[in-house]
Amino acid sequence: QQPVQSPQAVILREGEDAVINCSSSKALYSVHWYRQKHGEAPVFLMILLKGGEQKGHEKISASFNEKKQQSSLYLTASQLSYSGTYFCGTENSRAAGNKLTFGGGTRVLVKP
Amino acid sequence: DARVTQTPRHKVTEMGQEVTMRCQPILGHNTVFWYRQTMMQGLELLAYFRNRAPLDDSGMPKDRFSAEMPDATLATLKIQPSEPRDSAVYFCASGLGDRVLRTGELFFGEGSRLTVL
Repeated sequence: QQPVQSPQAVILREGEDAVINCSSSKALYSVHWYRQKHGEAPVFLMILLKGGEQKGHEKISASFNEKKQQSSLYLTASQLSYSGTYFCGTENSRAAGNKLTFGGGTRVLVKP
Repeated sequence: DARVTQTPRHKVTEMGQEVTMRCQPILGHNTVFWYRQTMMQGLELLAYFRNRAPLDDSGMPKDRFSAEMPDATLATLKIQPSEPRDSAVYFCASGLGDRVLRTGELFFGEGSRLTVL
């Protein structure tokens, strides 16, 4: 079952912050974040394996709340290069055989 | 440098025709995923393989889609017969076994853009 991402789209000015949320109706084992530039392949940003764990990539960080079955991606002091579509991918259990299911994506546009 | 290679990059075909998309995973990677991307559905998982064996193809319409890994260097996705609703970008991604889910890194190909008229 696909995780649900919100918002579907966000427009920022350079330097502004944004939060992208990813939630699942099932228990989560791990959450993966990818970014896709227009016309290109998705590129891995980070994985969160434990509840409450935060990871970072440049000024992009993420948190994972196991109890709430959700993850949030934080874009801090956004740069023009942050524009793209962000996908969260979820793994619901190790027994699922490494099945990674992606959400519908969040389009981010950073303007000068 | 190592990359996932997909062919064709673009394909325009008529409804009813057979379409075959190919993927060469990164050498040594034993896990291969097929995803379909549309504006409405985002990235949908169609099928995935571990050590050439299909682990899950529940996301794939069985009547017209089939996925195989004839050998460790080739994965194929076939649609027969194709329909206009199959128009999408099809991505192949590869990774290394359990490491994919520990380190998270899947490597995506550049996709095959399919248009069915």
